[in-house]
Amino acid sequence: GENVEQHPSTLSVQEGDSAVIKCTYSDSASNYFPWYKQELGKRPQLIIDIRSNVGEKKDQRIAVTLNKTAKHFSLHITETQPEDSAVYFCAAAGGTSYGKLTFGQGTILTVHP
Amino acid sequence: AAGVIQSPRHLIKEKRETATLKCYPIPRHDTVYWYQQGPGQDPQFLISFYEKMQSDKGSIPDRFSAQQFSDYHSELNMSSLELGDSALYFCASQLQRVSPLHFGNGTRLTVT
Repeated sequence: GENVEQHPSTLSVQEGDSAVIKCTYSDSASNYFPWYKQELGKRPQLIIDIRSNVGEKKDQRIAVTLNKTAKHFSLHITETQPEDSAVYFCAAAGGTSYGKLTFGQGTILTVHP
Repeated sequence: AAGVIQSPRHLIKEKRETATLKCYPIPRHDTVYWYQQGPGQDPQFLISFYEKMQSDKGSIPDRFSAQQFSDYHSELNMSSLELGDSALYFCASQLQRVSPLHFGNGTRLTVT
């Protein structure tokens, strides 16, 4: 089955800095890669996703890049704000269903004012 | 906008008891997924249903069962509860199988 590795496990930045989180996946059939933000005790919230036919996608301060050959994808957050502090999960899904997700282990992002 | 509704929000059970978690997907969403998230862990896929039929199965223990009803709501039944079953249980729905998931707010199950 699919295996997703996520790094780093914790990331501490100063407000206004950029943050980068990286993930690798094992199954070359995976074709959908969402990123979720989760605050303590709350539901995962989709912040951006990318499909395998696209190399990069951007939404305001958030961007995701995908390298299919190397089987890795990354989340980039620019101009970080304290409210960006949360746990971030990458995930991968393949085939005809984008709902059966394999998640990475999560990154605890702390943005210091 | 309507969201995925889960009930109850919190549930406390003792070992060996049973529990039933309910999920009401967003209207017109025909696919439901269940995920289990232990403390400090990533969500783990348990089971999914498409048009009231089981569509996929993940790391769901044999003590657990689930179904999707004619009104598309789903229930996760958990028997012979163990301490290790304490977790957040999320239900998610999607409009089409190649569209993003919408997660509910979860049910926090505590087994004592």
